[in-house]
Amino acid sequence: AQSVTQLGSHVSVSEGALVLLRCNYSSSVPPYLFWYVQYPNQGLQLLLKYTSAATLVKGINGFEAEFKKSETSFHLTKPSAHMSDAAEYFCAVSDQGTGGFKTIFGAGTRLFVKA
Amino acid sequence: GAVVSQHPSRVICKSGTSVKIECRSLDFQATTMFWYRQFPKQSLMLMATSNEGSKATYEQGVEKDKFLINHASLTLSTLTVTSAHPEDSSFYICSARAGNQNLYEQYFGPGTRLTVT
Repeated sequence: AQSVTQLGSHVSVSEGALVLLRCNYSSSVPPYLFWYVQYPNQGLQLLLKYTSAATLVKGINGFEAEFKKSETSFHLTKPSAHMSDAAEYFCAVSDQGTGGFKTIFGAGTRLFVKA
Repeated sequence: GAVVSQHPSRVICKSGTSVKIECRSLDFQATTMFWYRQFPKQSLMLMATSNEGSKATYEQGVEKDKFLINHASLTLSTLTVTSAHPEDSSFYICSARAGNQNLYEQYFGPGTRLTVT
């Protein structure tokens, strides 16, 4: 089964600083990878997805992620953090099992943005 | 496009009662639907996968007699928490996969907050 590991349960940055949220995947086949954001008491919002096309994926709200096969990584970045970016971020992989694909989530990383 | 709704958004029930949560795909046919559970400050854990017209497939450790899933149509799946207890209080999120396109992608609903008193 495929899985993702998010390094760091909490990340704190200053407003305007670079945001880097780490995700490593475990997969024997080319994976489908996703980043989601969740604001308090809300559902998930898809930030971006990798589907084996371009390795650098641009998403919404200025986020992007780069798929690096050699490092089995799919880290999420944003050049300049805003206060509104404070939320929980989940890396996810689409795992193909006997019943078809199903999305499996990492443990999540909470992003804090300091003024 | 690809909108999934859930109803209700919040529900409070007494211990021992049952509660039903609906998940609908509004603008596409969902051959497969998924139910996730999220405890406070934790990740989403897949509970079960259901295909329209078939019995749901439950993940290891999920009680199928407690969490009844029905996927009777291509746009509706329901999760019934039977004989709910306070430890069942959680955020339940459904998702749906469209029929024959982008089989790897799921569209998520806004979630239902269940509180059992």
